[in-house]
Amino acid sequence: QSALTQPRSVSGSPGQSVTISCTGTSSDVGGYNYVSWYQQHPGKAPKLMIYDVSKRPSGVPDRFSGSKSGNTASLTISGLQAEDEADYYCCSYAGSYTLKVFGGGTKLTVL
Amino acid sequence: QVQLVESGGGLVKPGGSLRLSCAASGFTFSDYYMSWIRQAPGKGLEWVSYISSSGSTIYYADSVKGRFTISRDNAKNSLYLQMNSLRAEDTAVYYCARETPTDYIDYWGQGTLVTVSS
Repeated sequence: QSALTQPRSVSGSPGQSVTISCTGTSSDVGGYNYVSWYQQHPGKAPKLMIYDVSKRPSGVPDRFSGSKSGNTASLTISGLQAEDEADYYCCSYAGSYTLKVFGGGTKLTVL
Repeated sequence: QVQLVESGGGLVKPGGSLRLSCAASGFTFSDYYMSWIRQAPGKGLEWVSYISSSGSTIYYADSVKGRFTISRDNAKNSLYLQMNSLRAEDTAVYYCARETPTDYIDYWGQGTLVTVSS
């Protein structure tokens, strides 16, 4: 199972919005509404930011939102803040054999 | 609060074995599916293995199938990963992770580093 495709890097200035895409296939992203997004700061464990495509866990700011269209999911971060600078990974359920596949990760730089 | 604490990582020679452990606390361990996820140095996340709450259902990534064995002891609130025939490409931080019914991970451990090198 190939990894989901994410841009290697994105950037934005404080207060701006950025969107990170995550492209898969009809066997993973397009086939299920089970896409999640994780934030990882250097040397730290990943943290859940979005689950089930667009749901936000308690404690995650509403500046973070998720969506999906066809085989591509997206994470949008509005009102960028310095602490949002991190790596972001998407993940999708991929069926009862492969189970779970991650994206290659996107480095967000807040300029 | 939910805590997942991994242990057992270290330096091992190619072809060697290592057993990772994950001690869970702050929740009813026996109610949850669990996974091991790994991250090679400077690389992305890779799902490794998954075990159901009872241990009756297990999945492995193709990259570790036949070499790694996941198990759990619900009486001890512990998850394990037995890693045999280790290769250089198995070098990574290994994370213990709590799964949810719709296959997202809501809690991660801090990770334990496994280095396979001669």
